[in-house]
Amino acid sequence: DAKTTQPPSMDCAEGRAANLPCNHSTISGNEYVYWYRQIHSQGPQYIIHGLKNNETNEMASLIITEDRKSSTLILPHATLRDTAVYYCIVRPHYSGATNKLIFGTGTLLAVQP
Amino acid sequence: NAGVTQTPKFQVLKTGQSMTLQCAQDMNHEYMSWYRQDPGMGLRLIHYSVGAGITDQGEVPNGYNVSRSTTEDFPLRLLSAAPSQTSVYFCASSPLGSPLHFGNGTRLTVT
Repeated sequence: DAKTTQPPSMDCAEGRAANLPCNHSTISGNEYVYWYRQIHSQGPQYIIHGLKNNETNEMASLIITEDRKSSTLILPHATLRDTAVYYCIVRPHYSGATNKLIFGTGTLLAVQP
Repeated sequence: NAGVTQTPKFQVLKTGQSMTLQCAQDMNHEYMSWYRQDPGMGLRLIHYSVGAGITDQGEVPNGYNVSRSTTEDFPLRLLSAAPSQTSVYFCASSPLGSPLHFGNGTRLTVT
């Protein structure tokens, strides 16, 4: 599975958009980009995933560059409850693939009041 | 649905003791897995299963055994606990090819 690189920490003001970057320069054609987050002491929570098109759901938007070597998770209006570690993961997404996820150390997003 | 249920929430063991961490899901998910998370670190995959009767090793399987006799349950066994196994353990499940649902973890201390 391709590896990812994320900044160790970021700050964001409450109410502003939080933009979390991820580099995945060795991503292959059948690998999706997944984002999870882990709020202190809880189990990780799925946020969003995508292949090459931009994706949006009720939690966030995912912007993937045209060459697919990097992506950005956008939380449009960050709240204090969005303070968490955010993990960017790439993995194959086809019917025969297992769901093995290899986590890195993620980005600690601190939303400031 | 209760989701993914892990028991116990907390456990303290002495070195050499054995125990089983329980994980159950009521969503009929084929895939189940165990992760451990050490302080300040990301999650590391211990073992996983793609269906009843099928298990496989992850990144850090040594010192742990698993079995999958039913779709619902995926227990993790520590045969002889060591201080290096002090960690938070997370169980996760999902349909194959879908995002994972995680439990709230078991916090294990080995003295």
